Amino acid sequence: NAGVMQNPRHLVRRRGQEARLRCSPMKGHSHVYWYRQLPEEGLKFMVYLQKENIIDESGMPKERFSAEFPKEGPSILRIQQVVRGDSAAYFCASSPQENTEAFFGQGTRLTVV
Amino acid sequence: DQQVKQNSPSLSVQEGRISILNCDYTNSMFDYFLWYKKYPAEGPTFLISISSIKDKNEDGRFTVFLNKSAKHLSLHIVPSQPGDSAVYFCAASGKNYGGSQGNLIFGKGTKLSVKP
Repeated sequence: NAGVMQNPRHLVRRRGQEARLRCSPMKGHSHVYWYRQLPEEGLKFMVYLQKENIIDESGMPKERFSAEFPKEGPSILRIQQVVRGDSAAYFCASSPQENTEAFFGQGTRLTVV
Repeated sequence: DQQVKQNSPSLSVQEGRISILNCDYTNSMFDYFLWYKKYPAEGPTFLISISSIKDKNEDGRFTVFLNKSAKHLSLHIVPSQPGDSAVYFCAASGKNYGGSQGNLIFGKGTKLSVKP
């Protein structure tokens, strides 16, 4: 049973470009969470999705960031017009139910140059 | 305003001794607490959790203690092993604290070094 798969592992984008981060949850998991980790910081919650629905997006910046978890395929975190401050590690996690522990992927390290 | 605080950024322990990692929280609506372990360039790995209806949960070498009145929890690792060297994150969630239960609030982590 494969774990949570994130790709790419590393992503370099120039300022103003778009970044697309993909997350395939563990088999049987329908709850997906995205977190961001800045250097020397803990993980900060961004968004919680359940198939085709956004349950909680209280941690998402109001502009340029969006997330989806379609019926088929991986969850996508999309960052438009990236800026240097978007450089961080972005982690996806999944769980089979809301109130069980979440399993994390290895993260995507986004660098904006 | 940090709702989950890990006040020790680092901890060094001798192999075989006990490691105690501490975590404080401010929101009394949190009712579920977790510890994650993280190696560099990897995602966090779930270690152990505790519900607010308990004050202790044990899994092998790992024990988590919860003191609700003090809003404090701790992770005990005994005996500590060099392979335990990693960053440990405390996290909290709850049904009624203001966010969804899927919204984990993480501390900044404590880097544990276990010396042979």
